[in-house]
Amino acid sequence: SYELAQPPSVSVSPGQTASITCSGDRLGERYVSWYQQKPGQSPVLVIYQDVKRPSGIPERFSGSSSGNTATLTISGTRAMDEADYYCQAWDSGTYVFGAGTRVTVL
Amino acid sequence: DVQLVESGGGLGQPGGSLRLSCAASGFTFNNYAMSWVRQAPGKGLEWVSAISSRGGSPYYADSVKGRFTISRDDSKNTVYLQISSLRADDAAVYFCAKDSVAVPSHGEFDYWGQGTLVTVSS
Repeated sequence: SYELAQPPSVSVSPGQTASITCSGDRLGERYVSWYQQKPGQSPVLVIYQDVKRPSGIPERFSGSSSGNTATLTISGTRAMDEADYYCQAWDSGTYVFGAGTRVTVL
Repeated sequence: DVQLVESGGGLGQPGGSLRLSCAASGFTFNNYAMSWVRQAPGKGLEWVSAISSRGGSPYYADSVKGRFTISRDDSKNTVYLQISSLRADDAAVYFCAKDSVAVPSHGEFDYWGQGTLVTVSS
């Protein structure tokens, strides 16, 4: 079955840039979406189709994808961005999520 | 505003059954695929099942195939998940999610419900 690999954790200082990677076989040939989930809350879509940002998502969230890796970048990270982040893609009739990355704002 | 409201969670016995419901509003329900995604306590997101719009072709994760059945009633703007042969590892919060496309494919989940908790114990 298809797998998406994410680092378990990323730490970032306030105002700095956090980058979260998501790797999978030929991932660049698929659309990748990213979700933010804060404790006790439902996930929120922050990036779709690799690079697009839904209405209401701050511009500091951006996405990119190349080869086997997609990246979610949070520029000028704020304390409110502390959360779990999941990548997601489609493969052979199933949706797949990465295991998630906890972003800690120190 | 789009709203997805899940119900039907609760305590189920091993080997038993539960039926989850998700009532949708604020969008043209029969134009979009719908999915169920679960999250075990302290764990990550796991896609469980999806159903396409209108004709309702189902899709399942290998972990639930043969035990879970997804269906939809477009007249009630509701999607269901029938869980049978409950196992301890089915215990999770089950989220209903709206797909951005009519047929599950390279879409994304643009709206999520608040989730309903399923616990499994004898």
